[in-house]
Parts: sequence; C-alpha cells; structure tokens
Amino acid sequence: DQQVKQNSPSLSVQEGRISILNCDYTNSMFDYFLWYKKYPAEGPTFLISISSIKDKNEDGRFTVFLNKSAKHLSLHIVPSQPGDSAVYFCAASGNNDMRFGAGTRLTVKP
Amino acid sequence: KAGVTQTPRYLIKTRGQQVTLSCSPISGHRSVSWYQQTPGQGLQFLFEYFSETQRNKGNFPGRFSGRQFSNSRSEMNVSTLELGDSALYLCASSDSGSSYNEQFFGPGTRLTVL
Repeated sequence: DQQVKQNSPSLSVQEGRISILNCDYTNSMFDYFLWYKKYPAEGPTFLISISSIKDKNEDGRFTVFLNKSAKHLSLHIVPSQPGDSAVYFCAASGNNDMRFGAGTRLTVKP
Repeated sequence: KAGVTQTPRYLIKTRGQQVTLSCSPISGHRSVSWYQQTPGQGLQFLFEYFSETQRNKGNFPGRFSGRQFSNSRSEMNVSTLELGDSALYLCASSDSGSSYNEQFFGPGTRLTVL
C-alpha cells in the first residue's frame, strides 16, 4: 500500500529556475515529514523536514510546504543548480510508522 | 564522527543461498533501521532495532531477519534467496529516541541474486 506517493518519477528544469517536487500521503496519523536527496552509489541524505504544526519551513534555497487538509507536501528549490540533480525521496512519519515515496529524479540542465 | 558504514558494498548470490549484511551506525546512535530499495518502489521499510531489540517491523516475509549487538552494530540476514530479492539494501541510524526523525543512511549493499 502506497501511503506516500510521488507521482512524478522524473523532473527536468533549467539551471536558475525553480524546481517543485510533490508528494502526497494518505495516512492522517503522519505528523512529521522529511525530504531526502540521493546521489548514485550513495545513501540518501537528509535535506529538510517539517512538522505538522507548521505549513512552511525554509532552509536556504530549499523550502518545504505542507498542506494538511490536502495531505500534500512539496519541496521548492530556488534557484536550481546542476549539483541538485539527484533522486529526491519524501518521507512521512507518525504513530510509530515511517513511509517513503518512490522518489523523483530531478535533472537540472546547465 | 564517522558515518554509517555497510559491508559488503556489493554481493552476488544464487537462488536458494543465504546472505548476511552488516551495518555500523554512527557512534552513539542506538537506533538502526533497514530498508530495501528497488526501482519504482522507493524505500521499503524492513525493520528497526533499538538497544538490541526489534522495535518495529515492515511487511516482509520471515526469510528476512535481523539483529543488533550491544555496540549497536546490526546485521540483516536473508535466507533462501529469490531473484526478487535483488535490490539495494540500506541501513540508517538515528540518535533520537524515535527513529522517525532524521536518519543517517549508509551507502548501501547492492545484492544481486542470479
């Protein structure tokens, strides 16, 4: 059961533009959400997180937005850089459970 | 601090064999979780150990098992390997009482079953 869905397997953007990665979840018990970035031959690395008491969290070029009513979160990267090219996983946790999405491959073209 | 290490990095086995993968968490981290990553499926949670006890378990068959030692190092075992077990196996450690916050991942073990 896919409780966390990333419906876009891939995304391509031009350097300097905004990248928007989306994630939907179904379990209303999830109350903490994370984004991880994964380069080939490396494990995922933590990028940014957000608690359900917030609707936005910002860290430099990365901003995560949470819409609890829609059970939707998104990661915005502005401006996008070629080094951001990677697979991005969203994760949702709560009630002693954690689920990951299938990932979105972001390609930032110079 | 040294990061999460996993050994071996690559492994080739044949159907029916068994395999043991090892994970050393970041020093001081007591929680270790294991995940299976396959194309299109994302990270599937296998199990989590905390202070040598299995605290949570995903929806995998009993052929998948694990354990954690007193130094927090963890091993994962898969018996009677099947072709579908070919995947990247990742372990992650956490320093919080809850493993459901930020986790630190190792580079993974790429298992190929022939």
